[in-house]
Amino acid sequence: GAVVSQHPSRVICKSGTSVKIECRSLDFQATTMFWYRQFPKQSLMLMATSNEGSKATYEQGVEKDKFLINHASLTLSTLTVTSAHPEDSSFYICSARTGARVGSFGPGTRLTVT
Amino acid sequence: KQEVTQIPAALSVPEGENLVLNCSFTDSAIYNLQWFRQDPGKGLTSLLLIQSSQREQTSGRLNASLDKSSGRSTLYIAASQPGDSATYLCAVSGSGNTPLVFGKGTRLSVIA
Repeated sequence: GAVVSQHPSRVICKSGTSVKIECRSLDFQATTMFWYRQFPKQSLMLMATSNEGSKATYEQGVEKDKFLINHASLTLSTLTVTSAHPEDSSFYICSARTGARVGSFGPGTRLTVT
Repeated sequence: KQEVTQIPAALSVPEGENLVLNCSFTDSAIYNLQWFRQDPGKGLTSLLLIQSSQREQTSGRLNASLDKSSGRSTLYIAASQPGDSATYLCAVSGSGNTPLVFGKGTRLSVIA
């Protein structure tokens, strides 16, 4: 139980385009989803927290207009990287949970911007 | 602001050795602590979860301890195998509703 999926697993896009990453809780309803970013040989850094039906809360230094997060249902959150640049190339991982339960992590999405 | 530090950053050991990975955190008011494994280019695999009221957890060859008052945790791996080669991440949560704060990880190589 508590399975989280992400799609796509890998994406390559051109600079200036937008990319959408989906995070789904497959067998539970996720009241909260977290989006993390991981640069090579670095740890996971929290980008934003989203609660179903409300606006996401972004961490300091993360541009909310560039990284659009939508959590419209209890099983789906999306992260859209708008006007992507090569420096946005990273590994994006979501985590989903219900209430105070321990969260489950998705398998991650490798984004490469050329 | 919570900060998590993991030492060493990298470790290489011969197969069969027992080893200890260290994790420290600056704010002892944690809700729980988790150890994860991450293979190159992959997501996270949860290894052990220790609630703040617990002192240790064991799973197979893995044992994690928690000393909340001193802000430390250790992950003990017994009889290491080449398949244990991966990056091990330590993460803490401040409450049931807050996200995890991760350390930078320890990159482990077990040489056959």
